[in-house]
Amino acid sequence: KAGVTQTPRYLIKTRGQQVTLSCSPISGHRSVSWYQQTPGQGLQFLFEYFSETQRNKGNFPGRFSGRQFSNSRSEMNVSTLELGDSALYLCASSLVYHTDTQYFGPGTRLTVL
Amino acid sequence: SQQGEEDPQALSIQEGENATMNCSYKTSINNLQWYRQNSGRGLVHLILIRSNEREKHSGRLRVTLDTSKKSSSLLITASRAADTASYFCATGGEAQKLVFGQGTRLTINP
Repeated sequence: KAGVTQTPRYLIKTRGQQVTLSCSPISGHRSVSWYQQTPGQGLQFLFEYFSETQRNKGNFPGRFSGRQFSNSRSEMNVSTLELGDSALYLCASSLVYHTDTQYFGPGTRLTVL
Repeated sequence: SQQGEEDPQALSIQEGENATMNCSYKTSINNLQWYRQNSGRGLVHLILIRSNEREKHSGRLRVTLDTSKKSSSLLITASRAADTASYFCATGGEAQKLVFGQGTRLTINP
């Protein structure tokens, strides 16, 4: 089976812009989770989607949003970018539950200037 | 918070030696998982141990879980240069959230 794919792999934006990241889970996986990883804060959970519904949410402001499509593919959006949003954004899929084994994509490196 | 905390934060050993990393957490869990991350890349799942299990093996990896002490350890035997990476524990609890620790940075010296 193909692994989790994320696009784009690298992105450079300026403050105030918005960005959309895409994630395609492993075929058959219905849960998709997003994480933000920074040197200072480590790996932080953003949200989880299952059957097109947000099932879990971390402690991030409303500027961070996401959605899941009927084929389980997911997108996350960050509006009004801030310098502190520069990070590696990781997507992971699992069979059913968020606490099942997570299969991670390679990540999208976002740099906000 | 039930966030796992790894100890030590960084570990440097010689190739061929064993590496041991520890993870402590605060609340009850359903399972505990260990992941590896090579620099700037996605995480790779290593092993999952359920709360009713005490020990699990996978190749050169051995994981123990002590729910009474709320702690787990990951042992990598006969380390290799390719084991150089960051290792994270993640705890899955009743709130159905998987929470990752800050990680242990392991360096294997030739």
